[in-house]
Amino acid sequence: AQSVTQPDIHITVSEGASLELRCNYSYGATPYLFWYVQSPGQGLQLLLKYFSGDTLVQGIKGFEAEFKRSQSSFNLRKPSVHWSDAAEYFCALNTDKLIFGTGTRLQVFP
Amino acid sequence: DVKVTQSSRYLVKRTGEKVFLECVQDMDHENMFWYRQDPGLGLRLIYFSYDVKMKEKGDIPEGYSVSREKKERFSLILESASTNQTSMYLCASETSSYEQYFGPGTRLTVT
Repeated sequence: AQSVTQPDIHITVSEGASLELRCNYSYGATPYLFWYVQSPGQGLQLLLKYFSGDTLVQGIKGFEAEFKRSQSSFNLRKPSVHWSDAAEYFCALNTDKLIFGTGTRLQVFP
Repeated sequence: DVKVTQSSRYLVKRTGEKVFLECVQDMDHENMFWYRQDPGLGLRLIYFSYDVKMKEKGDIPEGYSVSREKKERFSLILESASTNQTSMYLCASETSSYEQYFGPGTRLTVT
């Protein structure tokens, strides 16, 4: 079955620390993968996407993600977190529709 | 910039009322989607549309219907609102490369 798993419900980091949010997917074909961010009370904003080619993709707001086919993973990273990055992050897999993970809430301490 | 707007940010309705949620996009996208978002469940697809007057059921269509009379407008209808339809409703339109752009959401409370 096609699915997306975000194993971490809630992550807390200090401002300036590095960040990695995990995402695992299950899909038999080449995946189209996305990361979205949702600030409180807002809709979702696309951070980055992977279709093919270079497995390290760059996105907006200084985020990047690495696709690892052998691990069925698409983890999101940022080298230095800012307080404004506090939000909920969703990984998504496109089949004939978008399948979302349940999200990871990021809290940033000053 | 792509803009997706939703008719209301907050809505309070009574059980049994008919509820209309409207979504408008300004980028001439063919594909549009309605999701509901609940804590711990992520986003779940209610209905989607690939073109005017076309609609497809998503994962949780029960209790909902949709209307797409014009390309830019996709409406979600709750025929008879129930308390278990209290949720955040998100509309999205999609580019030809599968990027979805979301509206700000409508937080619906059914009492």
